Amino acid sequence: NAGVTQTPKFRILKIGQSMTLQCAQDMNHNYMYWYRQDPGMGLKLIYYSVGAGITDKGEVPNGYNVSRSTTEDFPLRLELAAPSQTSVYFCASGGGGNYGYTFGSGTRLTVV
Amino acid sequence: AQSVAQPEDQVNVAEGNPLTVKCTYSVSGNPYLFWYVQYPNRGLQFLLKYITGDNLVKGSYGFEAEFNKSQTSFHLKKPSALVSDSALYFCAVRDNNAGNMLTFGGGTRLMVKP
Repeated sequence: NAGVTQTPKFRILKIGQSMTLQCAQDMNHNYMYWYRQDPGMGLKLIYYSVGAGITDKGEVPNGYNVSRSTTEDFPLRLELAAPSQTSVYFCASGGGGNYGYTFGSGTRLTVV
Repeated sequence: AQSVAQPEDQVNVAEGNPLTVKCTYSVSGNPYLFWYVQYPNRGLQFLLKYITGDNLVKGSYGFEAEFNKSQTSFHLKKPSALVSDSALYFCAVRDNNAGNMLTFGGGTRLMVKP
């Protein structure tokens, strides 16, 4: 039972580089989310999706892009990495209804 | 807009003593409330939720939470703390009108000392 799988677990980027954080879930959940967690802080929503082909901005979307071509995958793209994007990124999925989320184990990103 | 407040950055408790981690919320409509726990270098794990029904909700690992509508609170409790309960705890409220997104509080670090 894989749940939500995030890759990579760690990454160091130079300023201006780009990368894609991968997220896949095998629970057939319609809802998927990307959060970032800064040291000593709570989680901030970056983008979310309510189903394949549908995405929407969360609280802190600037500097990021997402796509949802399939139910299973919800990649997060950083086009021009900046030091302010140094954070731990969590992907989550949910089945709606009365349920909460299932979280991935996170990607720790450092931009230098 | 909905919001969640966790007024304590850290809670210290001795092993075997009862613990309470506080949470208050602000939401229009009926609240869907959640507690998650995060262990070091791990993702968040679901503990319990309140959707409707009894105000006392029981969850994983012996935790429970009390929903109080008049005080807009959803405090997490456990009768007898374990050292292994030491972790970061997040309260969250769900917006059922916007993709079921969760809004999280800032987190409370629970330290249980032997």
